[in-house]
Amino acid sequence: KQEVTQIPAALSVPEGENLVLNCSFTDSAIYNLQWFRQDPGKGLTSLLLIQSSQREQTSGRLNASLDKSSGRSTLYIAASQPGDSATYLCAVIRGGANNLFFGTGTRLTVIP
Amino acid sequence: DAGVTQSPTHLIKTRGQHVTLRCSPISGHKSVSWYQQVLGQGPQFIFQYYEKEERGRGNFPDRFSARQFPNYSSELNVNALLLGDSALYLCASSLVRNYEQYFGPGTRLTVT
Repeated sequence: KQEVTQIPAALSVPEGENLVLNCSFTDSAIYNLQWFRQDPGKGLTSLLLIQSSQREQTSGRLNASLDKSSGRSTLYIAASQPGDSATYLCAVIRGGANNLFFGTGTRLTVIP
Repeated sequence: DAGVTQSPTHLIKTRGQHVTLRCSPISGHKSVSWYQQVLGQGPQFIFQYYEKEERGRGNFPDRFSARQFPNYSSELNVNALLLGDSALYLCASSLVRNYEQYFGPGTRLTVT
């Protein structure tokens, strides 16, 4: 059974700091990995998708990496801003499965 | 272009009642998935439909059912509501199965 873990559960940083969010998964036979952002009580916004054949993806101040062999992904946020405050979720699709397996998320607070 | 839309936004029901939630995917997307998110947890997979056929089912009781219509919109039905069914219900669409998923704003269901 695929399990996805995100550490830390919560993180508070001052504005302008660079930060890394971690995601680990138990079954390395994944098809792709997706990072999402969720604001309180809202739906999920897709940030980055990394296919199993890729090592990383970048979008603006965000960079996500994937190491399938070790079952890990990281989301790097550069020059954090108060507007980045949200819960960040990672999710994987196993090969042959039809659904995303989610971690419990990291709640990020960026202090002005 | 419109994103994934869901209705209603909020819903309050009494134990034992029935509820129907609706989802319209992004234009051109043929796959729709449903997820349940309880407070403080990551979303849990309920169903996936692709080309109007059920392609995946999560570990939810038979009280939960869904269908996809010829225009690719979808309904999630829950019978005999329990207090534990209170959650944010999320719909996601994708162009094809197992690819990048885009989520709607969710329906907040409260069962009293």
